[in-house]
Amino acid sequence: QQPVQSPQAVILREGEDAVINCSSSKALYSVHWYRQKHGEAPVFLMILLKGGEQKGHDKISASFNEKKQQSSLYLTASQLSYSGTYFCGTLDQTGANNLFFGTGTRLTVIP
Amino acid sequence: ETGVTQTPRHLVMGMTNKKSLKCEQHLGHNAMYWYKQSAKKPLELMFVYSLEERVENNSVPSRFSPECPNSSHLFLHLHTLQPEDSALYLCASSQGRGMEKLFFGSGTQLSVL
Repeated sequence: QQPVQSPQAVILREGEDAVINCSSSKALYSVHWYRQKHGEAPVFLMILLKGGEQKGHDKISASFNEKKQQSSLYLTASQLSYSGTYFCGTLDQTGANNLFFGTGTRLTVIP
Repeated sequence: ETGVTQTPRHLVMGMTNKKSLKCEQHLGHNAMYWYKQSAKKPLELMFVYSLEERVENNSVPSRFSPECPNSSHLFLHLHTLQPEDSALYLCASSQGRGMEKLFFGSGTQLSVL
């Protein structure tokens, strides 16, 4: 039931772009993205609802393809502050009130 | 500061001990959650409280006992834990119980010896 994230880890130089993918075997109602820095609380980035919407948050944006049950997080012109572990969480269409999280993608941005 | 405070930050306990984790939210939210975060595993939802009523219990062993005395406070009482229960325990809150934007605390790192 947990979504699958890829890649598991990625290292970028400042200014480079990255894509993090999240896929589920279930029909999804929504996809949620969070970032957690080491030793800190996970912080909400965005929610995407079914309807194929795309959202942006500064230079971080995401898309949701409900037909493919996939979401992608796009990090453009990465900054050092983008380092952390990115988690996607999914709510399926059964109505169950349980946000299932993936295992995370560890992103490291180096100068 | 996310508005959700957890104490203690670190806890070491033996398998026969009884301890409690505390969570407090200052955001006026109506729902509170306990999550377990183990190394290389997904975040696992343990309990959900909405307006002080437990609405979700994801097959969590009875050695974990939640308590929500009011909408601002959430406890997790621990007793006779096992070493595999060692993990980061995260508390979160949200405005409603629809699993919308969650505000997480920094967690309690628990080690069971």
